[in-house]
Amino acid sequence: ETGVTQSPTHLIKTRGQQVTLRCSSQSGHNTVSWYQQALGQGPQFIFQYYREEENGRGNFPPRFSGLQFPNYSSELNVNALELDDSALYLCATYQAGTPYEQYFGPGTRLTVT
Amino acid sequence: AQSVTQPDIHITVSEGASLELRCNYSYGATPYLFWYVQSPGQGLQLLLKYFSGDTLVQGIKGFEAEFKRSQSSFNLRKPSVHWSDAAEYFCAVGAITNAGKSTFGDGTTLTVKP
Repeated sequence: ETGVTQSPTHLIKTRGQQVTLRCSSQSGHNTVSWYQQALGQGPQFIFQYYREEENGRGNFPPRFSGLQFPNYSSELNVNALELDDSALYLCATYQAGTPYEQYFGPGTRLTVT
Repeated sequence: AQSVTQPDIHITVSEGASLELRCNYSYGATPYLFWYVQSPGQGLQLLLKYFSGDTLVQGIKGFEAEFKRSQSSFNLRKPSVHWSDAAEYFCAVGAITNAGKSTFGDGTTLTVKP
């Protein structure tokens, strides 16, 4: 079991609403990546934060945004939810500069109705 | 652009039989390759990784994988499958400079018959 935690575990929202998902990184890990995993697919890279700055983004619209805090915990915010946003959202943390191994959290299951 | 293909969506093997899961990647530079396992409702657990050195890498739970640059492949193997290995397996490729921006395949679901 990794030291990465995510909250909440499950969430149900209505189309058009906004949602915030949270991730606490493993101790000492200063980099966090967020992934979206739709049913039956592999995780897709949303964006990464390093030292509180966005450090790369995948093919996701601006309504997906994030924050990283000084303690390296992180939030993923999604505005104007769409039905296709229903997915498992995973965060993964690692220490930049070390041999590259991400540690994944258990994920947040988001359902948009 | 980088991509990963896992040609087998679903594989069924008998307990005790050998296993090979296929992974082909496309990457413009030296790749950093991973295999992860995901049990239902769980996050991803790293089985093994490769970025240099011996092309046959050993991982946890008795898994191994072989990197073949000429074939752009990184197949996962296990000599004898246990019922507890039933799960979904993902191959991923990342940059050596930043594995946190990995590209994943769509996974292979492994079913183990008693």
